[in-house]
Amino acid sequence: QSALTQPPSASGSPGQPVTISCTGTSSDVGGYNFVSWYQQHPGKAPKLMIYGVSKRPSGVPDRFSGSKSGNTASLTVSGLQAEDEADYYCSSYAGSNIYVFGAGTKVTVL
Amino acid sequence: EVQLVESGGGLVQPGGSLRLSCAASGFTFSTYSMNWVRQAPGKGLEWVSYISSSGITYYADSMKGRFTISRDNAKNSLDLQMNSLRAEDTAVYYCARRGDSSGYYRAFDMWGQGTMVTVSS
Repeated sequence: QSALTQPPSASGSPGQPVTISCTGTSSDVGGYNFVSWYQQHPGKAPKLMIYGVSKRPSGVPDRFSGSKSGNTASLTVSGLQAEDEADYYCSSYAGSNIYVFGAGTKVTVL
Repeated sequence: EVQLVESGGGLVQPGGSLRLSCAASGFTFSTYSMNWVRQAPGKGLEWVSYISSSGITYYADSMKGRFTISRDNAKNSLDLQMNSLRAEDTAVYYCARRGDSSGYYRAFDMWGQGTMVTVSS
């Protein structure tokens, strides 16, 4: 149950895209199409932004998208807005109802 | 209103015990599996434990034998009994719903606001 690997930080100007990577193993990210992404603002609970690698829950803006290749998943915000500044965590199902999270990426809007 | 509300956090000495609770409302609790996820101060999220709608349980390796998850579907409540607590268990503990019954397969679609547990002498 090792944590998934995310870059500690990412940034971009308003309207610019930013992509966050999330690297795991064949036992988690690479083995299942159950990668999800969570947004967390300071002092708040996490919020589901992407599930099933690339699906958006209702109410999540379509500028958020997800993808996966092999053992690496990615979250892209296509046009950054001020309210997107937050911490983002990836998570993967790892079988037997066990989950693993990434350490998080702080996204800064310049 | 659909919500999860945790309670029971506080200050406990190393080696002590604490029981957290999560009250669910606004949805059919008995049809959802539930989880506990924690976040140490300034750190990332860490999955703690899972319980199915029928009571089957799973734990992260570092919690096995010390933590026990349980639920009462009649009372719409989820608990986490934590024993032999260590300083490294200090964290905000969130209850999180797994959204399979809402179509959000294997994802946590609803979170409580969290309850803080501090393990210190």
